[in-house]
Amino acid sequence: EDQVTQSPEALRLQEGESSSLNCSYTVSGLRGLFWYRQDPGKGPEFLFTLYSAGEEKEKERLKATLTKKESFLHITAPKPEDSATYLCAVSGGSQGNLIFGKGTKLSVKP
Amino acid sequence: EAQVTQNPRYLITVTGKKLTVTCSQNMNHEYMSWYRQDPGLGLRQIYYSMNVEVTDKGDVPEGYKVSRKEKRNFPLILESPSPNQTSLYFCASSPFMRQELNQPQHFGDGTRLSIL
Repeated sequence: EDQVTQSPEALRLQEGESSSLNCSYTVSGLRGLFWYRQDPGKGPEFLFTLYSAGEEKEKERLKATLTKKESFLHITAPKPEDSATYLCAVSGGSQGNLIFGKGTKLSVKP
Repeated sequence: EAQVTQNPRYLITVTGKKLTVTCSQNMNHEYMSWYRQDPGLGLRQIYYSMNVEVTDKGDVPEGYKVSRKEKRNFPLILESPSPNQTSLYFCASSPFMRQELNQPQHFGDGTRLSIL
């Protein structure tokens, strides 16, 4: 069965304290792994797409990497405005199906 | 502005009273999808549509209907809502979904449904 597991569930950081979020997945025939950011009361906002192992994408303080079994979202020197829930999703198996993890709630304190 | 628009944003209704949540996108996307988000369960896909007149079930389709008569619209229909359908609902769209490559989805701001 296709599955996505994110860890930790919640993460509290001090401003400037770098860390990583993990997304482990099992899927038959990966067609894409997606990272989203979700703020309270809003829809998920797209961050990155990764398609193959070894691929990396970067945007400001965020960097996403992909292996055959997991993806990491690295946050370098985070700021309070990076506080949000980060969602990982994979597309595979049935062509139109997208499976989300439960997310990591990140809090960055000044 | 490119966007996915859902209406209504909030709705409180009663068991058994049919309701429709509309979703419209202005990006000429082929693919559209509906999700529900519940605490502790995350986002789960209800239905999706690869293109006009083509729809398929996601992970939790029971109690829901959809239709895709035009490219831009993808309404979610609850024929006889029940309290266990109280949730936060999101519509999303994507340029296309191909055999080898899937594009990221863009989400609306959500519809909060309460069914008493």
